[in-house]
Amino acid sequence: EAGVAQSPRYKIIEKRQSVAFWCNPISGHATLYWYQQILGQGPKLLIQFQNNGVVDDSQLPKDRFSAERLKGVDSTLKIQPAKLEDSAVYLCASSLFETQYFGPGTRLLVL
Amino acid sequence: SQQGEEDPQALSIQEGENATMNCSYKTSINNLQWYRQNSGRGLVHLILIRSNEREKHSGRLRVTLDTSKKSSSLLITASRAADTASYFCAPHQTGANNLFFGTGTRLTVIP
Repeated sequence: EAGVAQSPRYKIIEKRQSVAFWCNPISGHATLYWYQQILGQGPKLLIQFQNNGVVDDSQLPKDRFSAERLKGVDSTLKIQPAKLEDSAVYLCASSLFETQYFGPGTRLLVL
Repeated sequence: SQQGEEDPQALSIQEGENATMNCSYKTSINNLQWYRQNSGRGLVHLILIRSNEREKHSGRLRVTLDTSKKSSSLLITASRAADTASYFCAPHQTGANNLFFGTGTRLTVIP
């Protein structure tokens, strides 16, 4: 069974630039999550999708962050414009039932 | 707070020793999950214990749950250098759609 795929693995941008991350969940997993993990902290949920509908985006900074999951499969997370405090690892996870399966993450550095 | 709080924040032991990590939470839960994160990687699910269970084993892992005290512990027996990682507990709050991760316990196993 293939795992959760994410790209790119690393990204360095200047503040005020935009960036997009891509996630392909495990086949058949209806639920997809995006987390932000700042160094030394645990993952913080940004948005949760059930198929292509949003279940929870209460912690997504909607003035600069957006996410979509077209066709209920893969997903993209965008930041526009980026701030220095957005430097973090962005993790994608998917689940069929209660267990979440995580991708390797995208490490973002905003200069 | 919906998240789990792990204790200690950091733990250093010799290879072959046992490692115990604790987790406290504040809400009623359906289940509680433990995840491991190796440096620079995504999280890996270790074990799930349901609210009506008191103890669960998986290989060298033993998890206990005390819902009256709202606490859980993760025991890793006969530790190996490869167990060096951060360990997170994630309570699944009753009625919630997702997990809330704490800041984790950083375990270092010295060869």
